[in-house]
Amino acid sequence: GDSVTQTEGPVTLSEGTSLTVNCSYETKQYPTLFWYVQYPGEGPQLLFKVPKANEKGSNRGFEATYNKEATSFHLQKASVQESDSAVYYCALSEGNNNAPRFGAGTKLSVKP
Amino acid sequence: EAAVTQSPRNKVAVTGGKVTLSCNQTNNHNNMYWYRQDTGHGLRLIHYSYGAGSTEKGDIPDGYKASRPSQENFSLILELATPSQTSVYFCASAPGHYAEQFFGPGTRLTVL
Repeated sequence: GDSVTQTEGPVTLSEGTSLTVNCSYETKQYPTLFWYVQYPGEGPQLLFKVPKANEKGSNRGFEATYNKEATSFHLQKASVQESDSAVYYCALSEGNNNAPRFGAGTKLSVKP
Repeated sequence: EAAVTQSPRNKVAVTGGKVTLSCNQTNNHNNMYWYRQDTGHGLRLIHYSYGAGSTEKGDIPDGYKASRPSQENFSLILELATPSQTSVYFCASAPGHYAEQFFGPGTRLTVL
């Protein structure tokens, strides 16, 4: 069945360093891909989504490219801030007959 | 104004007792979802719904029932709560599986 695998956390970085959170997926069709962010004490919220292969999504300095050939959707940010400390979830949706599927989440801590 | 609300926010229950978690959305979305969140597992789908009167099993439905009496309300019912159901539960709504999900703030359930 469908699955999403992402970088195992926790990940600890210093402010100003770069971030990559790997996300790989398995699916029989061409899904819509999502990155969600969850701040402490809150529910997840959408960071961005990309419905089409080979397109890029971005928001708040984060970006990811939908790579159909490699079945990957890695999250990147050039320079992280302490306020980026959160849990990041990669997710996919294959169609309106199949509920969305989330990865296990990657907890990011950014030290000042 | 919060569009997805959950009640209660915290609940302590006894083993074997009945627990009902409630979710209300004002987004007028057809789809609603119940997830549980556990360290190392991320968000796992318990039940979801396509509209009033509809409930579908997710990936981990055993021990849980769901009820969707109206467009706005979606409940998760634990008829016989067990300590393994101690977790944080999130409700979400969306226009469809392909779309952004809007999450509630979560309910922390402890079963003693």
